[in-house]
Amino acid sequence: AQSVTQPDIHITVSEGASLELRCNYSYGATPYLFWYVQSPGQGLQLLLKYFSGDTLVQGIKGFEAEFKRSQSSFNLRKPSVHWSDAAEYFCAVVYTGTASKLTFGTGTRLQVTL
Amino acid sequence: GAGVSQSPSNKVTEKGKDVELRCDPISGHTALYWYRQRLGQGLEFLIYFQGNSAPDKSGLPSDRFSAERTGESVSTLTIQRTQQEDSAVYLCASSSRTVSGANVLTFGAGSRLTVL
Repeated sequence: AQSVTQPDIHITVSEGASLELRCNYSYGATPYLFWYVQSPGQGLQLLLKYFSGDTLVQGIKGFEAEFKRSQSSFNLRKPSVHWSDAAEYFCAVVYTGTASKLTFGTGTRLQVTL
Repeated sequence: GAGVSQSPSNKVTEKGKDVELRCDPISGHTALYWYRQRLGQGLEFLIYFQGNSAPDKSGLPSDRFSAERTGESVSTLTIQRTQQEDSAVYLCASSSRTVSGANVLTFGAGSRLTVL
């Protein structure tokens, strides 16, 4: 069964510091990979997605992620974090032939200190 | 509509009562999904609709849970005889197929259910 692992439950970074959130997915057919962000009391917002092509994808709010097939990873990065980035971040995967049913990781809660 | 709309945003109910949660997807989106998010956890898939048929109900946790959808419009998730473990945020998402075949889901803000 497809699965997604986000090994870091909670991360704290200082404003202005760089950020990397880890995501590993179970091996399977061609994966489509997503990062969503959830701010308190709000729904999930899509940050970026990878379907094919260039393995480094750019998203909104200055985020990027790199797909590494050899490591089954899709880590999210941001060079300089802003206080407004504090939120919960979810990595998700869908495999071709699964009716686009997203499987989510358990999330990483990001805290930003000033 | 401009986004996925869910109602109610908050629902408090007593154990054993039935509840209905409503989702109004983005106009023209053929696919609709229900997920459940328990406190401090990730999202659990419940059910997927394509049009008004549900080809994948594999995530419904018990026969107390059911869902229906009218055409390519509103969906209702019904939980009968609610239990305390049903307390969660229920998220609805809709999508239209992208050119690559993978769907990008747009989520609603969720319905928070508390069972006392």
